[in-house]
Amino acid sequence: NAGVTQTPKFQVLKTGQSMTLQCAQDMNHEYMSWYRQDPGMGLRLIHYSVGAGITDQGEVPNGYNVSRSTTEDFPLRLLSAAPSQTSVYFCASSSLAGPNTGEQFFGEGSRLTVL
Amino acid sequence: AQKVTQAQTEISVVEKEDVTLDCVYETRDTTYYLFWYKQPPSGELVFLIRRNSFDEQNEISGRYSWNFQKSTSSFNFTITASQVVDSAVYFCALMENTGTASKLTFGTGTRLQVTL
Repeated sequence: NAGVTQTPKFQVLKTGQSMTLQCAQDMNHEYMSWYRQDPGMGLRLIHYSVGAGITDQGEVPNGYNVSRSTTEDFPLRLLSAAPSQTSVYFCASSSLAGPNTGEQFFGEGSRLTVL
Repeated sequence: AQKVTQAQTEISVVEKEDVTLDCVYETRDTTYYLFWYKQPPSGELVFLIRRNSFDEQNEISGRYSWNFQKSTSSFNFTITASQVVDSAVYFCALMENTGTASKLTFGTGTRLQVTL
């Protein structure tokens, strides 16, 4: 029962490097999203998608890129890492219809440090 | 724009005390969902409850209960007879559901510390 799988769990980058955080879900959920969690700020929405081929910006999209080529996968790309992107990143998915509408299933989180 | 306010940054209680975590939200939509999530020290996010805007019934699940009041835009969470295992950060969240633009907005969280 995989649910939402995020990789890697930990990553250290140097300023200017690029990387991709992977997220996959096996629940056939339409909605997928990426959040970052910083101390005292809760979770802030970076990007989200309501289906394959459809993405949109959240509250803090700058410096991040996403694509949704399949229902299952929603990778988050850091184009040129900056120390301000040091954070814990969570991927989530949910159904947009039915009795569980909106209930987010979260991955375990990815802790990213940018030096 | 939607907004969720959790004014209590940190709460400390002694085991067996009751504790209420406050959540106030803002939205212009008439259709929306409210959620509570728990984040224990291990870091994962655990779903606790979902409530839609048309259902103002209070809910009880074991030691947990939720009070949803549209008149005051509040969705408060009470833990009765708290236990050390309840120590965690608790997040309230709001999802507006306007067509395909569904966004979940979280409050900043309340850290609950339950001690013996």
